[in-house]
Amino acid sequence: GAGVSQTPSNKVTEKGKYVELRCDPISGHTALYWYRQSLGQGPEFLIYFQGTGAADDSGLPNDRFFAVRPEGSVSTLKIQRTERGDSAVYLCASSWDGNNEQFFGPGTRLTVL
Amino acid sequence: DAKTTQPPSMDCAEGRAANLPCNHSTISGNEYVYWYRQIHSQGPQYIIHGLKNNETNEMASLIITEDRKSSTLILPHATLRDTAVYYCIVKGAQKLVFGQGTRLTINP
Repeated sequence: GAGVSQTPSNKVTEKGKYVELRCDPISGHTALYWYRQSLGQGPEFLIYFQGTGAADDSGLPNDRFFAVRPEGSVSTLKIQRTERGDSAVYLCASSWDGNNEQFFGPGTRLTVL
Repeated sequence: DAKTTQPPSMDCAEGRAANLPCNHSTISGNEYVYWYRQIHSQGPQYIIHGLKNNETNEMASLIITEDRKSSTLILPHATLRDTAVYYCIVKGAQKLVFGQGTRLTINP
């Protein structure tokens, strides 16, 4: 089947605006992860969902960041009052459960002007 | 999760075996060694993982020392398409903790 998909592929916004980034995991995968990758760095963990619930949100940098997965499939990462420092590639991954290899999407490149 | 140490860059000739080392001296008994790679402008790609035995799949082989403090990823016949950043990760909890990785360049 299809791999992990993310939309949009690119998002340009202005400082202070609200953005939503979407992730469609591989069908049947119960675990979903969000990571953020700044230029020249490895991906950095943000949040992990098992089903509909956030099992680990320790990587969210502050309360401007929030993620949901209401039906245990598609997830949305929401960023309020964006700042220039939020500019990065946001990666989503899914796995069969929390203990297996993670499959990554292509990412959404967010640019905050 | 245990910290890993990898060389920042390596070169390998096309057709030769690429051997990528990783040190993880603080690994715990229940932590796995995972390898991912990231080709420019793409998401990371899973390669292989192991606990204490050597592992092989269609992409690579993973050699883990007996004391589990280091490992080597082997790409047996490197091609130009193997040019990427390779990440060695010690995974205990569900999340992956990426370091800086090794930038592997395959030269023609």
